Amino acid sequence: GQQLNQSPQSMFIQEGEDVSMNCTSSSIFNTWLWYKQDPGEGPVLLIALYKAGELTSNGRLTAQFGITRKDSFLNISASIPSDVGIYFCAGRWAGSQGNLIFGKGTKLSVKP
Amino acid sequence: DGGITQSPKYLFRKEGQNVTLSCEQNLNHDAMYWYRQDPGQGLRLIYYSQIVNDFQKGDIAEGYSVSREKKESFPLTVTSAQKNPTAFYLCASSIGGQYQPQHFGDGTRLSIL
Repeated sequence: GQQLNQSPQSMFIQEGEDVSMNCTSSSIFNTWLWYKQDPGEGPVLLIALYKAGELTSNGRLTAQFGITRKDSFLNISASIPSDVGIYFCAGRWAGSQGNLIFGKGTKLSVKP
Repeated sequence: DGGITQSPKYLFRKEGQNVTLSCEQNLNHDAMYWYRQDPGQGLRLIYYSQIVNDFQKGDIAEGYSVSREKKESFPLTVTSAQKNPTAFYLCASSIGGQYQPQHFGDGTRLSIL
Protein backbone atom coordinates (compact mmCIF):
# COMPACT_ATOMS: atom_id res chain seq x y z
CA GLY A 1 0.00 0.00 0.00
CA GLN A 2 0.86 3.65 -0.09
CA GLN A 3 3.52 4.76 2.38
CA LEU A 4 4.96 8.04 3.48
CA ASN A 5 8.68 8.38 4.10
CA GLN A 6 9.30 10.86 6.91
CA SER A 7 12.78 12.02 7.81
CA PRO A 8 14.73 12.37 9.90
CA GLN A 9 13.52 9.73 12.34
CA SER A 10 14.88 11.75 15.28
CA MET A 11 16.68 15.02 15.92
CA PHE A 12 18.68 16.35 18.87
CA ILE A 13 19.13 20.09 18.70
CA GLN A 14 20.17 23.01 20.85
CA GLU A 15 17.57 25.52 21.98
CA GLY A 16 17.42 28.39 19.51
CA GLU A 17 18.33 26.33 16.47
CA ASP A 18 16.10 25.96 13.44
CA VAL A 19 14.62 22.55 12.55
CA SER A 20 13.60 21.07 9.25
CA MET A 21 11.83 17.79 8.51
CA ASN A 22 10.10 16.37 5.46
CA CYS A 23 7.82 13.72 4.06
CA THR A 24 7.83 12.15 0.63
CA SER A 25 5.38 9.90 -1.15
CA SER A 26 5.38 7.84 -4.32
CA SER A 27 1.96 9.13 -5.33
CA ILE A 28 0.55 12.59 -5.89
CA PHE A 29 -1.16 13.91 -2.77
CA ASN A 30 -3.99 16.45 -2.62
CA THR A 31 -3.70 17.28 1.08
CA TRP A 32 -0.79 17.47 3.52
CA LEU A 33 -1.21 17.85 7.26
CA TRP A 34 1.35 18.24 10.03
CA TYR A 35 0.63 17.13 13.61
CA LYS A 36 2.55 17.24 16.88
CA GLN A 37 2.12 14.59 19.57
CA ASP A 38 3.22 14.90 23.18
CA PRO A 39 3.78 11.70 25.23
CA GLY A 40 0.54 10.00 26.23
CA GLU A 41 -1.63 12.44 24.30
CA GLY A 42 -3.33 12.62 20.94
CA PRO A 43 -1.81 14.42 17.95
CA VAL A 44 -2.60 18.10 17.61
CA LEU A 45 -3.02 19.65 14.19
CA LEU A 46 -0.34 22.27 13.42
CA ILE A 47 -0.77 23.13 9.75
CA ALA A 48 -2.97 21.98 6.86
CA LEU A 49 -1.96 22.39 3.19
CA TYR A 50 -4.24 22.00 0.20
CA LYS A 51 -2.47 23.39 -2.89
CA ALA A 52 0.82 22.60 -4.59
CA GLY A 53 3.37 25.25 -3.70
CA GLU A 54 1.35 26.50 -0.75
CA LEU A 55 3.44 27.92 2.09
CA THR A 56 1.67 28.34 5.44
CA SER A 57 2.92 29.58 8.80
CA ASN A 58 1.69 29.05 12.33
CA GLY A 59 3.85 31.11 14.67
CA ARG A 60 7.40 29.78 14.44
CA LEU A 61 6.26 26.87 12.28
CA THR A 62 6.20 26.99 8.49
CA ALA A 63 5.11 24.17 6.19
CA GLN A 64 5.11 23.85 2.43
CA PHE A 65 3.19 21.67 -0.02
CA GLY A 66 5.81 20.59 -2.57
CA ILE A 67 5.25 21.64 -6.17
CA THR A 68 5.55 18.05 -7.35
CA ARG A 69 2.70 17.20 -4.91
CA LYS A 70 4.77 14.30 -3.66
CA ASP A 71 6.41 15.96 -0.69
CA SER A 72 5.97 18.41 2.15
CA PHE A 73 8.32 20.20 4.53
CA LEU A 74 7.97 21.52 8.07
CA ASN A 75 10.36 24.07 9.50
CA ILE A 76 10.53 25.26 13.09
CA SER A 77 12.48 28.43 13.73
CA ALA A 78 14.28 29.34 16.97
CA SER A 79 13.34 26.12 18.77
CA ILE A 80 12.36 26.18 22.45
CA PRO A 81 12.10 23.34 24.99
CA SER A 82 8.33 22.99 24.56
CA ASP A 83 8.87 22.06 20.91
CA VAL A 84 9.89 18.62 22.17
CA GLY A 85 7.62 15.87 20.87
CA ILE A 86 6.91 13.72 17.85
CA TYR A 87 5.93 15.42 14.61
CA PHE A 88 3.83 13.49 12.10
CA CYS A 89 3.07 14.24 8.52
CA ALA A 90 -0.16 12.93 7.05
CA GLY A 91 -1.65 13.14 3.62
CA ARG A 92 -4.45 12.19 1.30
CA TRP A 93 -4.08 10.91 -2.24
CA ALA A 94 -6.60 10.17 -4.92
CA GLY A 95 -6.82 6.49 -4.01
CA SER A 96 -7.20 6.92 -0.25
CA GLN A 97 -10.96 7.54 -0.29
CA GLY A 98 -10.47 10.63 1.80
CA ASN A 99 -8.56 8.79 4.52
CA LEU A 100 -5.23 9.95 5.89
CA ILE A 101 -1.92 8.14 5.58
CA PHE A 102 0.62 8.91 8.31
CA GLY A 103 4.39 9.04 8.34
CA LYS A 104 6.23 7.30 11.17
CA GLY A 105 7.12 10.55 12.87
CA THR A 106 10.14 12.69 13.68
CA LYS A 107 11.08 12.72 17.36
CA LEU A 108 12.46 16.12 18.34
CA SER A 109 14.60 16.64 21.42
CA VAL A 110 15.72 20.13 22.44
CA LYS A 111 18.61 20.80 24.78
CA PRO A 112 18.21 23.97 26.86
CA ASP B 1 -15.56 23.09 25.68
CA GLY B 2 -15.87 21.36 22.33
CA GLY B 3 -13.72 18.32 21.82
CA ILE B 4 -13.21 14.61 21.56
CA THR B 5 -13.31 12.55 24.74
CA GLN B 6 -11.83 9.10 24.94
CA SER B 7 -12.28 6.83 27.93
CA PRO B 8 -10.84 5.17 29.82
CA LYS B 9 -7.30 6.56 29.65
CA TYR B 10 -5.85 3.14 30.57
CA LEU B 11 -7.46 -0.26 30.06
CA PHE B 12 -6.37 -3.78 30.81
CA ARG B 13 -7.64 -6.87 29.04
CA LYS B 14 -7.56 -10.45 30.14
CA GLU B 15 -7.06 -13.31 27.72
CA GLY B 16 -10.24 -14.14 25.81
CA GLN B 17 -11.98 -10.96 26.89
CA ASN B 18 -13.63 -8.32 24.72
CA VAL B 19 -13.14 -4.71 25.78
CA THR B 20 -14.82 -1.55 24.52
CA LEU B 21 -13.15 1.84 24.15
CA SER B 22 -15.35 4.90 24.23
CA CYS B 23 -15.11 7.91 21.93
CA GLU B 24 -17.50 10.86 22.20
CA GLN B 25 -17.36 14.18 20.33
CA ASN B 26 -19.42 17.34 20.76
CA LEU B 27 -18.03 19.08 17.67
CA ASN B 28 -20.99 18.07 15.50
CA HIS B 29 -18.54 16.35 13.17
CA ASP B 30 -19.92 13.90 10.64
CA ALA B 31 -16.93 11.60 10.31
CA MET B 32 -15.18 9.61 13.02
CA TYR B 33 -12.12 7.40 12.93
CA TRP B 34 -10.22 4.87 15.02
CA TYR B 35 -6.45 4.48 14.77
CA ARG B 36 -3.94 2.20 16.38
CA GLN B 37 -0.46 3.49 17.29
CA ASP B 38 2.46 1.22 18.11
CA PRO B 39 5.83 2.51 19.40
CA GLY B 40 7.90 4.11 16.67
CA GLN B 41 5.12 3.72 14.17
CA GLY B 42 2.70 6.00 12.45
CA LEU B 43 -1.02 5.77 12.97
CA ARG B 44 -2.85 2.94 11.25
CA LEU B 45 -6.55 3.16 10.43
CA ILE B 46 -8.82 0.53 12.02
CA TYR B 47 -12.34 1.69 11.13
CA TYR B 48 -14.01 4.88 10.00
CA SER B 49 -17.53 6.19 9.75
CA GLN B 50 -18.63 9.03 7.48
CA ILE B 51 -22.23 9.03 8.63
CA VAL B 52 -24.47 7.59 11.33
CA ASN B 53 -25.31 3.89 10.94
CA ASP B 54 -22.55 3.38 8.42
CA PHE B 55 -18.89 2.45 8.84
CA GLN B 56 -16.05 1.04 6.78
CA LYS B 57 -13.03 -1.12 7.48
CA GLY B 58 -9.64 0.52 7.47
CA ASP B 59 -6.27 -1.09 6.91
CA ILE B 60 -6.20 -3.25 10.08
CA ALA B 61 -9.84 -4.04 10.95
CA GLU B 62 -9.38 -7.72 11.82
CA GLY B 63 -10.12 -8.41 15.49
CA TYR B 64 -12.00 -5.11 15.97
CA SER B 65 -15.62 -4.03 15.70
CA VAL B 66 -17.42 -0.68 15.84
CA SER B 67 -20.88 0.83 15.86
CA ARG B 68 -22.19 4.27 14.96
CA GLU B 69 -25.70 4.57 16.36
CA LYS B 70 -25.32 8.26 17.26
CA LYS B 71 -23.48 11.05 15.51
CA GLU B 72 -21.46 11.91 18.62
CA SER B 73 -20.40 8.38 19.57
CA PHE B 74 -18.15 5.80 17.89
CA PRO B 75 -17.16 3.00 20.30
CA LEU B 76 -14.47 0.48 19.39
CA THR B 77 -14.54 -3.10 20.64
CA VAL B 78 -11.28 -5.00 20.76
CA THR B 79 -12.32 -8.64 20.51
CA SER B 80 -10.56 -11.76 21.69
CA ALA B 81 -9.71 -12.42 18.04
CA GLN B 82 -7.21 -9.56 18.15
CA LYS B 83 -4.11 -11.46 19.27
CA ASN B 84 -1.85 -8.47 19.75
CA PRO B 85 -4.08 -5.75 21.19
CA THR B 86 -1.48 -3.90 23.28
CA ALA B 87 -1.27 -0.43 21.74
CA PHE B 88 -2.30 3.20 22.03
CA TYR B 89 -5.73 3.74 20.46
CA LEU B 90 -6.69 7.13 19.06
CA CYS B 91 -10.10 8.36 18.02
CA ALA B 92 -10.47 11.27 15.60
CA SER B 93 -13.25 13.21 13.97
CA SER B 94 -13.68 15.62 11.09
CA ILE B 95 -16.47 17.73 9.64
CA GLY B 96 -16.47 15.35 6.74
CA GLY B 97 -15.48 15.57 3.15
CA GLN B 98 -12.23 14.65 1.58
CA TYR B 99 -10.34 17.82 2.46
CA GLN B 100 -11.19 18.36 6.12
CA PRO B 101 -8.48 17.85 8.76
CA GLN B 102 -8.97 15.29 11.50
CA HIS B 103 -8.85 16.24 15.16
CA PHE B 104 -7.83 13.71 17.79
CA GLY B 105 -8.77 12.68 21.30
CA ASP B 106 -6.13 11.98 23.95
CA GLY B 107 -6.11 8.24 23.43
CA THR B 108 -6.61 5.02 25.39
CA ARG B 109 -3.68 2.80 26.26
CA LEU B 110 -4.68 -0.87 26.21
CA SER B 111 -2.53 -3.50 27.88
CA ILE B 112 -2.84 -7.24 28.36
CA LEU B 113 -2.93 -8.78 31.83
